[in-house]
Amino acid sequence: SQQGEEDPQALSIQEGENATMNCSYKTSINNLQWYRQNSGRGLVHLILIRSNEREKHSGRLRVTLDTSKKSSSLLITASRAADTASYFCATVAAGGTSYGKLTFGQGTILTVHP
Amino acid sequence: DGGITQSPKYLFRKEGQNVTLSCEQNLNHDAMYWYRQDPGQGLRLIYYSQIVNDFQKGDIAEGYSVSREKKESFPLTVTSAQKNPTAFYLCASGTGGFVNQPQHFGDGTRLSIL
Repeated sequence: SQQGEEDPQALSIQEGENATMNCSYKTSINNLQWYRQNSGRGLVHLILIRSNEREKHSGRLRVTLDTSKKSSSLLITASRAADTASYFCATVAAGGTSYGKLTFGQGTILTVHP
Repeated sequence: DGGITQSPKYLFRKEGQNVTLSCEQNLNHDAMYWYRQDPGQGLRLIYYSQIVNDFQKGDIAEGYSVSREKKESFPLTVTSAQKNPTAFYLCASGTGGFVNQPQHFGDGTRLSIL
């Protein structure tokens, strides 16, 4: 089952612009993770934010988490053509039996035009 | 280099045939996971394994089987009972019980019907 929705489903921007993607989820979580997928490839982990954290940075990436609204956002600043990919949020459910299992959103397809 | 290797990259199945997808990891991870990805969709969990000789069904296990005889290996068999097997299959590994750690993904196997 899918945990939630990602918004927008597709995003097209010019190089140098910022890209913001949103993710909503349904159940209480232990953490939320963002992954990137280039066409036809596996997923690459970008950033993990724990349920007791509100914001996290990694290079040009900024992730926020609002557990009261069950939502997260990923901001990519100063985008590059090489950022073109699909981006997925995934959650690990709260509770001792999650075993690190991920539940994924539908993904956002980002296209950055040179 | 540490990582996850999936083979083959492309696989074709005839009607009534079982096929096996290989997944090997050298990250010394206890947990391994199989996901299915359909076009334009997020990932759905098929099976997961926390330790050798143990595995659990995920959200869409029907028509699939797995084994975990070695820590490094987690092969997935797509049986003839899976009526719609055409998809991109991704294997991942992780620390399992240490939930605040990301999963590491292979580059996938694309399965098609002849």
